[in-house]
Amino acid sequence: KAGVTQTPRYLIKTRGQQVTLSCSPISGHRSVSWYQQTPGQGLQFLFEYFSETQRNKGNFPGRFSGRQFSNSRSEMNVSTLELGDSALYLCASSLATGNTNYGYTFGSGTRLTVV
Amino acid sequence: GDSVTQMEGPVTLSEEAFLTINCTYTATGYPSLFWYVQYPGEGLQLLLKATKADDKGSNKGFEATYRKETTSFHLEKGSVQVSDSAVYFCALTGGGGSQGNLIFGKGTKLSVKP
Repeated sequence: KAGVTQTPRYLIKTRGQQVTLSCSPISGHRSVSWYQQTPGQGLQFLFEYFSETQRNKGNFPGRFSGRQFSNSRSEMNVSTLELGDSALYLCASSLATGNTNYGYTFGSGTRLTVV
Repeated sequence: GDSVTQMEGPVTLSEEAFLTINCTYTATGYPSLFWYVQYPGEGLQLLLKATKADDKGSNKGFEATYRKETTSFHLEKGSVQVSDSAVYFCALTGGGGSQGNLIFGKGTKLSVKP
């Protein structure tokens, strides 16, 4: 069974540019969440999608956005990149049906470097 | 707001030593609790979870018990191996009524020496 796939694995962008990261969840998983991981701030929640709807959003500026498609694949976009956006971006997916908490399976992440 | 506090690392142990990584939390309501592990260059792997008070999560020799009275979820393993060297994160489900908003501790780096 394929895991959570994130592309690309590594990305180098220049300040002011925008970037789009992609996440393919485990087959059958309808919930996708995104996290930013940095040495200083640790793991911080960005947003969560379920059936193409954003269910929850973390405390990040509007430059960070995301969406989910009908096949549950998700993308996140960061516009007007800043040096501080350099981080490992992790996507996670879950069955998340009803009240049962299955936990989330994470991808290997996209390492974004802003220069 | 909700938060997770983990013991500071790094933790260095010899192979076959006993491991405890402390985790305490602050939360409203009844969150689910998790331990995740991150190996170098990889994403997070779910190690174990507990969804209600007194539940014990266990996996690969690791255990943690959801203690509501002490708001704790300490990770233990009786005999660590070199392959257990990684960063361990304690987490809980955050607010907003969804499961996908996880709040993580800062992580504890474990190094196991042969």
